[in-house]
Amino acid sequence: DQQVKQNSPSLSVQEGRISILNCDYTNSMFDYFLWYKKYPAEGPTFLISISSIKDKNEDGRFTVFLNKSAKHLSLHIVPSQPGDSAVYFCAASGGVSWGKLQFGAGTQVVVTP
Amino acid sequence: NAGVTQTPKFRVLKTGQSMTLLCAQDMNHEYMYWYRQDPGMGLRLIHYSVGEGTTAKGEVPDGYNVSRLKKQNFLLGLESAAPSQTSVYFCASSYPSSYNEQFFGPGTRLTVL
Repeated sequence: DQQVKQNSPSLSVQEGRISILNCDYTNSMFDYFLWYKKYPAEGPTFLISISSIKDKNEDGRFTVFLNKSAKHLSLHIVPSQPGDSAVYFCAASGGVSWGKLQFGAGTQVVVTP
Repeated sequence: NAGVTQTPKFRVLKTGQSMTLLCAQDMNHEYMYWYRQDPGMGLRLIHYSVGEGTTAKGEVPDGYNVSRLKKQNFLLGLESAAPSQTSVYFCASSYPSSYNEQFFGPGTRLTVL
């Protein structure tokens, strides 16, 4: 049973606009959340993370929001650029999953000019 | 630095054949991981290692074996390949202090006929 879910397999956004990617989780023991970015024929690369003691973390154009009561996190990309076109994976760890990341299925983002 | 490298990049096997996938990292990371990625399912952890000479099972270990004889190398073996093992395999590594932020190799695409 998938404990981390990304219900939108794809997202198309215009260059310069905001991209919002969503992720839901079911395991209340998760206490650390990450987003990875993946280009075709490459491995995923770490993008941004957030601990459960925070509700927001920002790094340049990327912001992750965490809503623990709803077991939901989101990644905002502002402004979106063509180079942001990639697959984005949400991941979580904690509790008995210590050190073992649980990944969502990914969201394909396409940024159009 | 090459980071995390994987050999081979592509491989086609017949059912019942065996093979070994090699992962090498030059970042002096203690932790290493093997994942598989299947369509619509994200990455799932097969086996992992927290140090030279140690290995442990992940989420989907059946049909695979691993060895970590040297700190920089992590081998994944398939003794008798099955079509269900057709997948893209990713190796990753990390420091113990930041085990969630993993560095991934470019992947090996394996097809079992």
